[in-house]
Amino acid sequence: AQSVTQLGSHVSVSEGALVLLRCNYSSSVPPYLFWYVQYPNQGLQLLLKYTSAATLVKGINGFEAEFKKSETSFHLTKPSAHMSDAAEYFCAVSDLNAGNMLTFGGGTRLMVKP
Amino acid sequence: GAGVSQSPSNKVTEKGKDVELRCDPISGHTALYWYRQRLGQGLEFLIYFQGNSAPDKSGLPSDRFSAERTGESVSTLTIQRTQQEDSAVYLCASSSRQGAKGYTFGSGTRLTVV
Repeated sequence: AQSVTQLGSHVSVSEGALVLLRCNYSSSVPPYLFWYVQYPNQGLQLLLKYTSAATLVKGINGFEAEFKKSETSFHLTKPSAHMSDAAEYFCAVSDLNAGNMLTFGGGTRLMVKP
Repeated sequence: GAGVSQSPSNKVTEKGKDVELRCDPISGHTALYWYRQRLGQGLEFLIYFQGNSAPDKSGLPSDRFSAERTGESVSTLTIQRTQQEDSAVYLCASSSRQGAKGYTFGSGTRLTVV
């Protein structure tokens, strides 16, 4: 069975600083991995996904994530935080043996200080 | 439609009443998922439909919860005899069976039981 662990339920950065949101997964098969963002009072929006092509994946809003098999990690980064990045971020792994069902991490709330 | 549509967007109900939540997935998406998100928490899987196969109901928290889907169309999530702990945002998502493109989420239904 797949599982996802997001280290840090809350992360606070200053505007312009590096954003690093951590995600580790466990999977018995090569995983497909996803990051979703949830702005206040909205549904989840796909930020980026890894599907066994390039290990460095670029997404929307300047975010990127790197798949590291040896570390079973898929950390999300952005070089320079913007106030509008304040949101909840969810990492997820896809179970290809169960109809692509996604297993989500517990989420990380990103706060951006001016 | 172009996206996943959920209705109502907000629902306030009295404890003990039944409620019905609706999800209209993206046309052609064979898979449909319901999740619950309590305030400040992550996503809790409820139920999964894949085409005409028997649904995966393993996440339903009690027999007060049920869901239906006819073919690959609209789904309804019904909560009977609502309790205050049922207050949450109920998120629906759909995906295609082929590939691992992730889910497309609706904006959710915010349920408040008073």
